[in-house]
Amino acid sequence: GQQLNQSPQSMFIQEGEDVSMNCTSSSIFNTWLWYKQEPGEGPVLLIALYKAGELTSNGRLTAQFGITRKDSFLNISASIPSDVGIYFCAGRQETSGSRLTFGEGTQLTVNP
Amino acid sequence: EPEVTQTPSHQVTQMGQEVILRCVPISNHLYFYWYRQILGQKVEFLVSFYNNEISEKSEIFDDQFSVERPDGSNFTLKIRSTKLEDSAMYFCASTTGQGVGANVLTFGAGSRLTVL
Repeated sequence: GQQLNQSPQSMFIQEGEDVSMNCTSSSIFNTWLWYKQEPGEGPVLLIALYKAGELTSNGRLTAQFGITRKDSFLNISASIPSDVGIYFCAGRQETSGSRLTFGEGTQLTVNP
Repeated sequence: EPEVTQTPSHQVTQMGQEVILRCVPISNHLYFYWYRQILGQKVEFLVSFYNNEISEKSEIFDDQFSVERPDGSNFTLKIRSTKLEDSAMYFCASTTGQGVGANVLTFGAGSRLTVL
């Protein structure tokens, strides 16, 4: 199946710092989604992107759908301890019906 | 906030036993999914279900797996004869399948399956 390469795998930051993570693929995606997963829970949607170049914010979170449709990034500004969790990108391709392909995840640790 | 509910939250079973994981999707959603996540790994697609039939399945979803919507509210995943490598977190998800949010999946909290 298609691969989404997500980086970094993990981040250790101080409270108040900004964070950036991204996903890339060799294939085109027509929807990009960013999810957060906390221990013992299912993924929770943060931001959904539908058009190339789209830049969308949700509070301190900002995500962009890359112009090439092969990448996306997520930024978190002024991180707080409750931002801790695993962040996954997920994409849907035109040819894959409704299935989502997930990235490997970015484990974020925020030190107070 | 409507949510997808899953039971059981954790099931321990012996290899070779049958397991049924249950899900109640959001009531007005039309598309239902099962994904799994092996500990420490990414979330992987298993199967999608629409209009009382499977619409897509992955290579993971072999003959040991089946899904069913036995009534108007439940959506189940059955593993006929569990193997050690079936140990994972299984997530149910649903979506309206229509409009701008068609591909925005809402996930349940998951059912952890441990096969001994």
